[in-house]
Amino acid sequence: RKEVEQDPGPFNVPEGATVAFNCTYSNSASQSFFWYRQDCRKEPKLLMSVYSSGNEDGRFTAQLNRASQYISLLIRDSKLSDSATYLCVVKTGGFKTIFGAGTRLFVKA
Amino acid sequence: DAGVIQSPRHEVTEMGQEVTLRCKPISGHNSLFWYRQTMMRGLELLIYFNNNVPIDDSGMPEDRFSAKMPNASFSTLKIQPSEPRDSAVYFCASSIYRDGRLEQYFGPGTRLTVT
Repeated sequence: RKEVEQDPGPFNVPEGATVAFNCTYSNSASQSFFWYRQDCRKEPKLLMSVYSSGNEDGRFTAQLNRASQYISLLIRDSKLSDSATYLCVVKTGGFKTIFGAGTRLFVKA
Repeated sequence: DAGVIQSPRHEVTEMGQEVTLRCKPISGHNSLFWYRQTMMRGLELLIYFNNNVPIDDSGMPEDRFSAKMPNASFSTLKIQPSEPRDSAVYFCASSIYRDGRLEQYFGPGTRLTVT
Protein backbone atom coordinates (compact mmCIF):
# COMPACT_ATOMS: atom_id res chain seq x y z
CA ARG A 1 0.00 0.00 0.00
CA LYS A 2 1.32 3.44 -0.88
CA GLU A 3 1.88 5.85 1.99
CA VAL A 4 -0.26 8.50 0.31
CA GLU A 5 -2.95 7.58 -2.18
CA GLN A 6 -5.00 9.75 -4.46
CA ASP A 7 -7.53 9.13 -7.20
CA PRO A 8 -5.50 9.96 -10.34
CA GLY A 9 -8.56 11.20 -12.21
CA PRO A 10 -8.76 12.95 -14.52
CA PHE A 11 -11.70 14.95 -13.31
CA ASN A 12 -13.40 16.77 -16.16
CA VAL A 13 -15.77 19.47 -14.96
CA PRO A 14 -17.48 22.52 -16.49
CA GLU A 15 -16.70 26.03 -15.35
CA GLY A 16 -18.60 26.91 -12.23
CA ALA A 17 -18.81 23.35 -10.95
CA THR A 18 -17.80 22.19 -7.50
CA VAL A 19 -15.25 19.40 -7.38
CA ALA A 20 -13.77 17.46 -4.48
CA PHE A 21 -10.59 15.41 -4.19
CA ASN A 22 -9.76 12.92 -1.48
CA CYS A 23 -6.46 11.58 -0.30
CA THR A 24 -5.70 8.81 2.17
CA TYR A 25 -2.52 8.26 4.15
CA SER A 26 -1.25 5.19 5.91
CA ASN A 27 0.93 6.54 8.69
CA SER A 28 -1.26 7.42 11.67
CA ALA A 29 1.62 9.39 13.17
CA SER A 30 1.61 11.87 10.28
CA GLN A 31 1.84 15.39 11.56
CA SER A 32 1.14 17.94 8.86
CA PHE A 33 -0.85 17.95 5.68
CA PHE A 34 -0.83 20.11 2.58
CA TRP A 35 -2.25 20.47 -0.89
CA TYR A 36 0.07 21.49 -3.70
CA ARG A 37 -0.81 22.41 -7.23
CA GLN A 38 1.34 21.50 -10.24
CA ASP A 39 0.80 22.91 -13.70
CA CYS A 40 2.04 21.03 -16.74
CA ARG A 41 5.85 21.10 -16.96
CA LYS A 42 6.10 23.35 -13.92
CA GLU A 43 7.15 22.88 -10.33
CA PRO A 44 4.70 22.03 -7.54
CA LYS A 45 3.44 25.08 -5.66
CA LEU A 46 1.94 25.19 -2.19
CA LEU A 47 -1.81 25.72 -2.44
CA MET A 48 -2.76 25.46 1.20
CA SER A 49 -2.00 23.78 4.48
CA VAL A 50 -4.65 21.55 6.01
CA TYR A 51 -5.58 22.19 9.61
CA SER A 52 -7.35 19.83 11.96
CA SER A 53 -10.40 22.06 12.19
CA GLY A 54 -10.61 22.49 8.44
CA ASN A 55 -9.72 25.69 6.65
CA GLU A 56 -10.83 27.78 3.76
CA ASP A 57 -9.01 30.04 1.34
CA GLY A 58 -11.37 31.72 -1.07
CA ARG A 59 -12.94 29.06 -3.27
CA PHE A 60 -10.79 26.31 -1.73
CA THR A 61 -11.67 24.34 1.38
CA ALA A 62 -9.45 21.70 2.95
CA GLN A 63 -10.45 19.21 5.60
CA LEU A 64 -8.67 16.58 7.65
CA ASN A 65 -10.13 13.45 9.17
CA ARG A 66 -7.50 11.91 11.41
CA ALA A 67 -9.69 9.00 12.52
CA SER A 68 -10.15 7.85 8.93
CA GLN A 69 -6.76 9.12 7.81
CA TYR A 70 -7.87 11.15 4.87
CA ILE A 71 -7.77 14.73 3.72
CA SER A 72 -9.91 16.45 1.17
CA LEU A 73 -9.87 19.49 -1.06
CA LEU A 74 -13.04 21.15 -2.29
CA ILE A 75 -12.98 23.67 -5.12
CA ARG A 76 -16.08 25.77 -5.60
CA ASP A 77 -17.00 27.74 -8.70
CA SER A 78 -14.25 26.13 -10.78
CA LYS A 79 -12.31 28.36 -13.17
CA LEU A 80 -10.46 27.41 -16.33
CA SER A 81 -7.29 28.42 -14.51
CA ASP A 82 -7.89 25.74 -11.87
CA SER A 83 -6.93 23.08 -14.43
CA ALA A 84 -3.84 21.43 -12.99
CA THR A 85 -2.67 18.42 -11.02
CA TYR A 86 -3.39 18.58 -7.29
CA LEU A 87 -0.91 16.84 -5.03
CA CYS A 88 -1.70 15.65 -1.54
CA VAL A 89 1.29 15.96 0.78
CA VAL A 90 1.84 14.38 4.18
CA LYS A 91 4.66 15.15 6.57
CA THR A 92 5.74 12.43 8.92
CA GLY A 93 8.29 12.79 11.69
CA GLY A 94 11.13 15.20 11.25
CA PHE A 95 11.28 16.77 7.83
CA LYS A 96 10.22 13.88 5.64
CA THR A 97 7.36 14.65 3.30
CA ILE A 98 5.50 12.20 1.11
CA PHE A 99 3.73 13.35 -2.04
CA GLY A 100 0.76 11.59 -3.53
CA ALA A 101 0.78 10.85 -7.24
CA GLY A 102 -1.67 13.67 -7.88
CA THR A 103 -5.18 14.13 -9.21
CA ARG A 104 -5.58 15.76 -12.58
CA LEU A 105 -8.33 18.34 -13.02
CA PHE A 106 -9.58 19.72 -16.31
CA VAL A 107 -12.04 22.58 -16.18
CA LYS A 108 -13.74 23.23 -19.50
CA ALA A 109 -15.69 26.18 -20.77
CA ASP B 1 12.28 37.85 -3.50
CA ALA B 2 14.20 35.28 -5.48
CA GLY B 3 12.82 31.80 -5.21
CA VAL B 4 14.75 28.57 -5.34
CA ILE B 5 17.20 28.67 -8.21
CA GLN B 6 18.23 25.56 -10.10
CA SER B 7 20.70 25.06 -12.89
CA PRO B 8 20.86 23.93 -15.55
CA ARG B 9 17.19 23.98 -16.54
CA HIS B 10 17.77 21.32 -19.17
CA GLU B 11 20.55 18.78 -19.49
CA VAL B 12 21.05 16.22 -22.20
CA THR B 13 23.91 13.84 -21.76
CA GLU B 14 25.10 10.46 -22.91
CA MET B 15 25.03 7.35 -20.80
CA GLY B 16 28.10 7.04 -18.64
CA GLN B 17 28.72 10.76 -18.30
CA GLU B 18 28.76 12.59 -14.99
CA VAL B 19 25.89 14.97 -14.36
CA THR B 20 25.85 17.71 -11.71
CA LEU B 21 22.68 19.54 -10.80
CA ARG B 22 22.82 22.72 -8.75
CA CYS B 23 20.47 24.43 -6.35
CA LYS B 24 20.42 27.70 -4.48
CA PRO B 25 17.75 27.69 -1.76
CA ILE B 26 15.75 30.67 -0.60
CA SER B 27 17.77 32.77 1.81
CA GLY B 28 16.86 32.03 5.40
CA HIS B 29 15.45 28.58 4.69
CA ASN B 30 17.38 25.98 6.63
CA SER B 31 16.10 22.78 5.05
CA LEU B 32 16.71 21.61 1.50
CA PHE B 33 15.19 18.71 -0.39
CA TRP B 34 16.01 16.96 -3.66
CA TYR B 35 13.16 15.24 -5.52
CA ARG B 36 12.89 13.32 -8.75
CA GLN B 37 9.70 13.23 -10.81
CA THR B 38 8.78 10.78 -13.56
CA MET B 39 5.48 9.81 -15.08
CA MET B 40 5.78 6.29 -13.77
CA ARG B 41 6.88 6.98 -10.19
CA GLY B 42 5.60 10.47 -9.51
CA LEU B 43 7.49 12.75 -7.16
CA GLU B 44 10.08 10.91 -5.09
CA LEU B 45 12.09 12.37 -2.24
CA LEU B 46 15.76 11.55 -2.76
CA ILE B 47 17.50 13.28 0.13
CA TYR B 48 17.06 16.19 2.47
CA PHE B 49 19.35 18.40 4.51
CA ASN B 50 18.78 20.42 7.63
CA ASN B 51 21.28 23.15 8.45
CA ASN B 52 23.51 21.77 5.68
CA VAL B 53 23.62 18.29 7.23
CA PRO B 54 22.14 15.32 5.34
CA ILE B 55 19.33 13.92 7.46
CA ASP B 56 17.79 11.18 5.35
CA ASP B 57 19.21 9.84 2.10
CA SER B 58 17.15 6.66 2.03
CA GLY B 59 15.49 7.78 -1.18
CA MET B 60 18.73 7.96 -3.13
CA PRO B 61 18.36 5.18 -5.68
CA GLU B 62 21.90 3.84 -5.61
CA ASP B 63 25.53 4.71 -5.11
CA ARG B 64 25.70 6.48 -8.43
CA PHE B 65 23.80 9.33 -6.79
CA SER B 66 25.39 11.69 -4.31
CA ALA B 67 24.40 15.05 -2.86
CA LYS B 68 26.25 17.72 -0.98
CA MET B 69 25.45 20.96 0.74
CA PRO B 70 28.73 22.74 1.49
CA ASN B 71 26.98 25.86 2.78
CA ALA B 72 23.56 27.31 3.43
CA SER B 73 23.23 28.77 -0.05
CA PHE B 74 24.28 25.93 -2.30
CA SER B 75 23.65 22.25 -2.92
CA THR B 76 24.54 19.79 -5.66
CA LEU B 77 23.15 16.48 -6.80
CA LYS B 78 25.59 14.39 -8.77
CA ILE B 79 24.97 11.29 -10.87
CA GLN B 80 28.03 9.33 -11.90
CA PRO B 81 27.80 7.44 -14.19
CA SER B 82 24.45 8.44 -15.59
CA GLU B 83 22.06 5.93 -17.14
CA PRO B 84 19.00 6.35 -19.39
CA ARG B 85 16.69 5.40 -16.53
CA ASP B 86 17.88 8.49 -14.66
CA SER B 87 16.00 10.63 -17.15
CA ALA B 88 13.52 12.68 -15.13
CA VAL B 89 12.83 16.14 -13.79
CA TYR B 90 14.87 16.84 -10.67
CA PHE B 91 13.45 19.40 -8.28
CA CYS B 92 15.14 21.14 -5.41
CA ALA B 93 12.99 22.61 -2.66
CA SER B 94 13.79 24.66 0.40
CA SER B 95 11.59 25.02 3.42
CA ILE B 96 10.77 27.14 6.39
CA TYR B 97 8.63 26.62 9.45
CA ARG B 98 5.56 28.84 9.40
CA ASP B 99 2.87 28.64 12.06
CA GLY B 100 4.45 25.43 13.25
CA ARG B 101 4.32 23.87 9.78
CA LEU B 102 7.07 23.03 7.35
CA GLU B 103 6.27 24.75 4.05
CA GLN B 104 8.30 23.77 1.01
CA TYR B 105 9.04 25.95 -2.00
CA PHE B 106 10.21 24.30 -5.18
CA GLY B 107 12.65 25.43 -7.79
CA PRO B 108 11.75 25.23 -11.49
CA GLY B 109 13.47 21.87 -11.87
CA THR B 110 16.16 20.44 -14.11
CA ARG B 111 14.92 18.28 -16.95
CA LEU B 112 17.53 15.58 -17.42
CA THR B 113 17.68 13.38 -20.49
CA VAL B 114 20.25 10.60 -20.63
CA THR B 115 20.63 8.99 -24.04
